[in-house]
Amino acid sequence: DVKVTQSSRYLVKRTGEKVFLECVQDMDHENMFWYRQDPGLGLRLIYFSYDVKMKEKGDIPEGYSVSREKKERFSLILESASTNQTSMYLCASSSIAGSYNEQFFGPGTRLTVL
Amino acid sequence: GEDVEQSLFLSVREGDSSVINCTYTDSSSTYLYWYKQEPGAGLQLLTYIFSNMDMKQDQRLTVLLNKKDKHLSLRIADTQTGDSAIYFCAGGTGGFKTIFGAGTRLFVKA
Repeated sequence: DVKVTQSSRYLVKRTGEKVFLECVQDMDHENMFWYRQDPGLGLRLIYFSYDVKMKEKGDIPEGYSVSREKKERFSLILESASTNQTSMYLCASSSIAGSYNEQFFGPGTRLTVL
Repeated sequence: GEDVEQSLFLSVREGDSSVINCTYTDSSSTYLYWYKQEPGAGLQLLTYIFSNMDMKQDQRLTVLLNKKDKHLSLRIADTQTGDSAIYFCAGGTGGFKTIFGAGTRLFVKA
């Protein structure tokens, strides 16, 4: 059974803290994505990566950075968390071999910044 | 920029058909998708349609695409309580970027 896992389902942090969200996929996918999901706004792409050590900004990269040191792992970093980063964070992966680019999603991490 | 719009809520009675509508702006979208998100879970691909198709049927699901009007719909026949979820319309060119709508929350009343 293919899987995308995220390190935490729920996380509570304080303003100014550095936050790491981890994502691991076991499908040997080349592409990995980080989205945030907010009510009424749907999914917005923060960053994506198409290969190890490669990253591209999405639509809302401000306040975030990413790291991809290994093919199966993609980390999202909030250097100094702020209350407006309270959200649901979803990780996804996809294969370049797939003809229709299906993305496989993790269960999400609900982050609250106090 | 590219945009995908869909209504936020839909309520139907169990056994009725549900129709979820979506409009998109990017005419270069090669694939149009419907993803389903159940409570507490990530999104899962429900079905997709290639842009040169008008219709796709898969058991209880029917996808209709009107490329001229950039309108996509998902019909769920004989809707069940287990269909209660958020349904996301999305469009992509088969490359890296997929644009998602805000999601339609489907409530199924028993």
